[in-house]
Amino acid sequence: NAGVTQTPKFQVLKTGQSMTLQCAQDMNHNSMYWYRQDPGMGLRLIYYSASEGTTDKGEVPNGYNVSRLNKREFSLRLESAAPSQTSVYFCASSPPPGGGYYNEQFFGPGTRLTVL
Amino acid sequence: AQSVTQLGSHVSVSEGALVLLRCNYSSSVPPYLFWYVQYPNQGLQLLLKYTTGATLVKGINGFEAEFKKSETSFHLTKPSAHMSDAAEYFCAVSISPGAGSYQLTFGKGTKLSVIP
Repeated sequence: NAGVTQTPKFQVLKTGQSMTLQCAQDMNHNSMYWYRQDPGMGLRLIYYSASEGTTDKGEVPNGYNVSRLNKREFSLRLESAAPSQTSVYFCASSPPPGGGYYNEQFFGPGTRLTVL
Repeated sequence: AQSVTQLGSHVSVSEGALVLLRCNYSSSVPPYLFWYVQYPNQGLQLLLKYTTGATLVKGINGFEAEFKKSETSFHLTKPSAHMSDAAEYFCAVSISPGAGSYQLTFGKGTKLSVIP
């Protein structure tokens, strides 16, 4: 099991450029999440997908879009990158409650994005 | 709405000393509580969780945490710090915004330094 994988690991963009961050999980989890992590701010939820075919906004959705391509994959798109979007982005997934799981999430290694 | 407060953004301890990282939560329903650890340049890893039952929970790497409902606390402890414990630690509470979906609300994190 690879768990949660994210590509790319690092990315530098210029203001106004677009890009898509990719996330995939091989644990057959229903729910997937995108967070951003900034110093002193903890993790803030951008978007989440409770199940295949559904997506919902989190705490900080402005400037982002998401696609739940299938049960395995959940991508995050920046249409017009801004310096304020410089951050570390984490994808996570979680199984439904039951079988010893209680809403915990499993995280990928992160993507470090710099917008100049 | 649920929230998590971690007291102290940075804690320093000597190698071999007690580690105590504080977490207080607010929740309108019985909470599920988690501690995650993040080593430099890595994703978050689940350290331990409280769901129901025994209020003292043990996790990986010798860490444990005690759920105290009367104090709305879930402090993380380790009797003897090791250099390898240097990392950032996040407390989180599980919430349900409805429709069978679940989210985690994270504290802002506590960075633990271990002094040789």
